[in-house]
Amino acid sequence: GENVEQHPSTLSVQEGDSAVIKCTYSDSASNYFPWYKQELGKRPQLIIDIRSNVGEKKDQRIAVTLNKTAKHFSLHITETQPEDSAVYFCAPEGNTGFQKLVFGTGTRLLVSP
Amino acid sequence: DAGVIQSPRHEVTEMGQEVTLRCKPISGHDYLFWYRQTMMRGLELLIYFNNNVPIDDSGMPEDRFSAKMPNASFSTLKIQPSEPRDSAVYFCASSLNSDNTEAFFGQGTRLTVV
Repeated sequence: GENVEQHPSTLSVQEGDSAVIKCTYSDSASNYFPWYKQELGKRPQLIIDIRSNVGEKKDQRIAVTLNKTAKHFSLHITETQPEDSAVYFCAPEGNTGFQKLVFGTGTRLLVSP
Repeated sequence: DAGVIQSPRHEVTEMGQEVTLRCKPISGHDYLFWYRQTMMRGLELLIYFNNNVPIDDSGMPEDRFSAKMPNASFSTLKIQPSEPRDSAVYFCASSLNSDNTEAFFGQGTRLTVV
């Protein structure tokens, strides 16, 4: 099965700084790379995703970059705000014909005012 | 659509009792997933269904856990007998199909086994 690791496990930044979270996966057939955000006490929600035919995707302050050769993809958040504080999960998907949604270990981001 | 609906929101039960968690996916979604979330183990995939058929139950921790999906609009996760280490938040999620893979989560059921 897919081995998924995230780094770092915890990240503390000052408001306005940038944050980068990296997700490493093992299945070279993975072709879909989403990031989910879970605020404290809430459910996970998709914030951005990318497919394997694209190297980078941006949506306002967040972006995802993909390196298929090295089997990792990263979440970039610029101009961080306190409301970005949450746990972020990656969930790379293989190409098995079925969608098996396995989440990474999670990264707790804390943005201090 | 009201989104994925889980019940109950909170459940407190005594060790040894049977617990049943319920989930109503978004109408028209082909996939349904059950997850368990704890601080120690993160967000674990327990089992998932495609068109009501269980595809992969390798994440189910032991025989005390079972899941069913009798129709497209309802699924249950049962724990019998329950143990204190089963205490966690259990999420149900659904997604449309293999081409539209965004997962929509329910609000979760917080289970406490005492």
